[in-house]
Amino acid sequence: GEDVEQSLFLSVREGDSSVINCTYTDSSSTYLYWYKQEPGAGLQLLTYIFSNMDMKQDQRLTVLLNKKDKHLSLRIADTQTGDSAIYFCADVTGTASKLTFGTGTRLQVTL
Amino acid sequence: NAGVTQTPKFRILKIGQSMTLQCAQDMNHNYMYWYRQDPGMGLKLIYYSVGAGITDKGEVPNGYNVSRSTTEDFPLRLELAAPSQTSVYFCASSYAGNQPQHFGDGTRLSIL
Repeated sequence: GEDVEQSLFLSVREGDSSVINCTYTDSSSTYLYWYKQEPGAGLQLLTYIFSNMDMKQDQRLTVLLNKKDKHLSLRIADTQTGDSAIYFCADVTGTASKLTFGTGTRLQVTL
Repeated sequence: NAGVTQTPKFRILKIGQSMTLQCAQDMNHNYMYWYRQDPGMGLKLIYYSVGAGITDKGEVPNGYNVSRSTTEDFPLRLELAAPSQTSVYFCASSYAGNQPQHFGDGTRLSIL
């Protein structure tokens, strides 16, 4: 079945850029999503990209998609302490558009 | 602007007890999903529904049942609670299969 992998932890200084990486295995993925989860909360949709796009920018967020390498990244510019959370990559496969999630990357922002 | 509402937020069960986790959405979404999230893991799909009266199994359906009698509600039932079902359960919905899923805040369930 589909597999989505992420590194578990990333630490950055406030004001720096953060880059969170994700790899997936299903070449038929149609959409790829980034969700943010703060402690004790549900998942908040951050952004998503269609599989026919290479890049999408949304304010401080930039998503890059390399379909050849099945690699997705999320760049957060000017990272703030409020960005500290777990970030999940997910891709959509199948007719019911079921999401397959990575294990999440915990982003720690230090002063 | 409620979105996806899950109740209860927390629950402790004894082994062998049963309970129903409630999920309701007010966005007139056709698709609804149940996931479980174990510590340090991503979300695993339990069951999903593409419309009222239609449900199907996800990746980890054993030990659970669902029903979808209305567009708004998608309850998840545990018949015989087991310690392996200790987890955080998330309900999600989307307007169509190719639209982003919106999540509730989760139900934290412990089985002792």
